[in-house]
Amino acid sequence: DTAVSQTPKYLVTQMGNDKSIKCEQNLGHDTMYWYKQDSKKFLKIMFSYNNKELIINETVPNRFSPKSPDKAHLNLHINSLELGDSAVYFCASSQGGGFMNTEAFFGQGTRLTVV
Amino acid sequence: AQSVTQLGSHVSVSEGALVLLRCNYSSSVPPYLFWYVQYPNQGLQLLLKYTSAATLVKGINGFEAEFKKSETSFHLTKPSAHMSDAAEYFCAVSDQGFSGGYNKLIFGAGTRLAVHP
Repeated sequence: DTAVSQTPKYLVTQMGNDKSIKCEQNLGHDTMYWYKQDSKKFLKIMFSYNNKELIINETVPNRFSPKSPDKAHLNLHINSLELGDSAVYFCASSQGGGFMNTEAFFGQGTRLTVV
Repeated sequence: AQSVTQLGSHVSVSEGALVLLRCNYSSSVPPYLFWYVQYPNQGLQLLLKYTSAATLVKGINGFEAEFKKSETSFHLTKPSAHMSDAAEYFCAVSDQGFSGGYNKLIFGAGTRLAVHP
């Protein structure tokens, strides 16, 4: 059983298109995250939701819009894709917002390539 | 603000040799510290974490790390490298540490470990 699953795993699209990445976790966690890993492997948080409520929103272009229909799902919609959006996007989840008694579980990543 | 610096973007060791991956942190609060491993085309997997208990933390796959407050370091070690250890390793700090609240992980730039026969 995959704990945090993302779809699709690979996504190749043209500039200007709109695309979505889906994430689901079956761990019963109440907090989910989106991280972006750039071409140099640098990982940076984009968003975090707790029980469907946005709690962390880093400086991300408003072309990126997360949506959490329930606490097990956190989707990422990207409008008007740009070349610079090419990266690997990781979804993660944890129980609670702190990390003392929990850990963040990561999905396999979605490699987005904008051409 | 919290930050993490990983010294050495690439480390190469022989199979059976000691693995040492360096991580220094900066934190305005007592930190929670983590090491994650990323195998090729995979997600991140937690190796170990420090959350104020023992300063020497043991993780999976024979890895361990020691929290040294005086040196603001959390270096990752393994006594004997195995070919399967070849991967990208990330050190991370939780941004609020013990102060609680809703935290995020702040990652270092990663260190690629190569293991050769």
